[in-house]
Amino acid sequence: ELKVEQNPLFLSMQEGKNYTIYCNYSTTSDRLYWYRQDPGKSLESLFVLLSNGAVKQEGRLMASLDTKARLSTLHITAAVHDLSATYFCAVDASYDKVIFGPGTSLSVIP
Amino acid sequence: GAVVSQHPSRVICKSGTSVKIECRSLDFQATTMFWYRQFPKQSLMLMATSNEGSKATYEQGVEKDKFLINHASLTLSTLTVTSAHPEDSSFYICSALDRRPYEQYFGPGTRLTVT
Repeated sequence: ELKVEQNPLFLSMQEGKNYTIYCNYSTTSDRLYWYRQDPGKSLESLFVLLSNGAVKQEGRLMASLDTKARLSTLHITAAVHDLSATYFCAVDASYDKVIFGPGTSLSVIP
Repeated sequence: GAVVSQHPSRVICKSGTSVKIECRSLDFQATTMFWYRQFPKQSLMLMATSNEGSKATYEQGVEKDKFLINHASLTLSTLTVTSAHPEDSSFYICSALDRRPYEQYFGPGTRLTVT
């Protein structure tokens, strides 16, 4: 059974600082996703990573994938308050299902 | 990008009644849709896979007689919470799978409160 873990679960960081969120998964998968969720809202798709070594960047966020290590990272550069949200990684499982990690609650403080 | 809608966005119902939630793919056909449930400060838990024209596939621990899923067309799946109880109060999110190109789109969610 596919399991997805994230680390840390809670993150409080100062504006302007850098930090990385880690996502581990237990079995081989073809795709890994990163989503953002604001309170009371649904999911916003950030990145889809399809292959080993894939790296994608959007603004202050950069995601990477190492399929051999079954590890993805979401790196935050020079954090700003607007990035405060919960970030989920999710992995394709069998039968088109997507399994979510527990989420990382990020709070960016001045 | 593709859009998935849900209706209603919020619903409050009394214990023992049934509630129907609709999930529509607005600009593509989705033979497969998914229903998730999210409790406060928790992750999304997959409840079931909704397959157009056939029975839904439920995840372990999800009561199929309580959470009725119907996927009668290529753009609509419905989730009916039967005999709702306060512990069913949650945020229900659907997603629709577009196979060309392969991507899953999430709806805006439905917040169910059972009193």
